[in-house]
Amino acid sequence: SNELTQPPSVSVSPGQTATITCSGDALPSRWSYWYQQKPGQAPILVVKKDNERPSGVPERFTGSTSGTTVTLTVSGVQAEDEADYYCQSTDTSGAWVFGGGTRLTVL
Amino acid sequence: VQLVESGGGLVKRGGSLRLSCAASGFTFSNAWMNWVRQAPGKGLEWVGRIKSNADGETTNYAAPVKGRFTISRDDSQNRLYLQASSLKAEDTAVYYCTTLTVWGNGTTVIVSS
Repeated sequence: SNELTQPPSVSVSPGQTATITCSGDALPSRWSYWYQQKPGQAPILVVKKDNERPSGVPERFTGSTSGTTVTLTVSGVQAEDEADYYCQSTDTSGAWVFGGGTRLTVL
Repeated sequence: VQLVESGGGLVKRGGSLRLSCAASGFTFSNAWMNWVRQAPGKGLEWVGRIKSNADGETTNYAAPVKGRFTISRDDSQNRLYLQASSLKAEDTAVYYCTTLTVWGNGTTVIVSS
């Protein structure tokens, strides 16, 4: 299956660590990407190729993989990190596939 | 590095619309370009992609738009296009052009019934 499954929501207190998972059968053989999207704004790439951080993205954003699950970890969560987060990969034809998105709430 | 979409608006069901995306600050001709849309209150949905001229300008489309949408590019103008036809209510969305690392701010398409 090409589907990517994310939890609908994750909540953490400021300064804590947020963990957002994304599961998909094809993930072990495909690169994964993570985007942050705040209300009314375009998505921003925060992790590329499983665990690379694009220039300008804070070091508290980290990507990792384990089998059919990829994970976005936000360490020392700040109020400004409250947003929707989407994982993305590709299928065998190169088409992009997105997860359903996870709303990160900073309590 | 910038992408700016335009051409969105209100269109009747069954109608057509041409979206445009102006690129600047990078070598557009080398880039594989994508369209991604987001329906109101929903997640991101990939619409389709066009490869670079060097890679044959091959296009691929998501199943919901295949046969109705056409992606093209004009490297001399640094522009990407999305021709959307036979529009349905479910095509109502913000449409983004993106290279993956760079995203435009989107243009809104509303299909009225």
